[in-house]
Amino acid sequence: DADVTQTPRNRITKTGKRIMLECSQTKGHDRMYWYRQDPGLGLRLIYYSFDVKDINKGEISDGYSVSRQAQAKFSLSLESAIPNQTALYFCATSGPQLAGVSTDTQYFGPGTRLTVL
Amino acid sequence: AQKVTQAQTEISVVEKEDVTLDCVYETRDTTYYLFWYKQPPSGELVFLIRRNSFDEQNEISGRYSWNFQKSTSSFNFTITASQVVDSAVYFCALSEERPGTASKLTFGTGTRLQVTL
Repeated sequence: DADVTQTPRNRITKTGKRIMLECSQTKGHDRMYWYRQDPGLGLRLIYYSFDVKDINKGEISDGYSVSRQAQAKFSLSLESAIPNQTALYFCATSGPQLAGVSTDTQYFGPGTRLTVL
Repeated sequence: AQKVTQAQTEISVVEKEDVTLDCVYETRDTTYYLFWYKQPPSGELVFLIRRNSFDEQNEISGRYSWNFQKSTSSFNFTITASQVVDSAVYFCALSEERPGTASKLTFGTGTRLQVTL
């Protein structure tokens, strides 16, 4: 089984609809992230969370919200989707290794392709 | 502010050629980390390497090698004897040390590598 899973993998929705993208991880990491990828722009950070009590805005948080329901779950919501939110969304996790040494290397889920019509 | 520049948008090579992907970064921190990720046509992001700012040793892993030079703020990636399976978009990324919180990754815009027979 994959260490970082995202659901759904693909979603088509209409302008104005509320959408939730979910991310779960079995890596035991405490840090989780949401990015979006647009052609030619690389990946840009939307929100990140150090642990369940810590939520931080990233570079492009407007129009998005997040919820850290548990250490292993981090959801991204689009309250009222608009067409320019059409993108590939990635969840990532990072955290200390089992030996207790922090590497903070981020490992990514498979991505969710969202289309807003 | 952090910045990562990948000036090569697309590179095309014939199989077995060597190819170097350039990455130039900007940061004010003395402690930082550099990464390379691979995004094959299937879309997932695969972690390739992490290098910290205090370790300028070049690294080789099979056909892959990385050249880190702090003097020129560069972290270049070379594929020796390229293969069709190397065709992907490659991202360089930078994070700064942030004890007690999550470290944000800043990505370059990626270099698309096409390897043909």
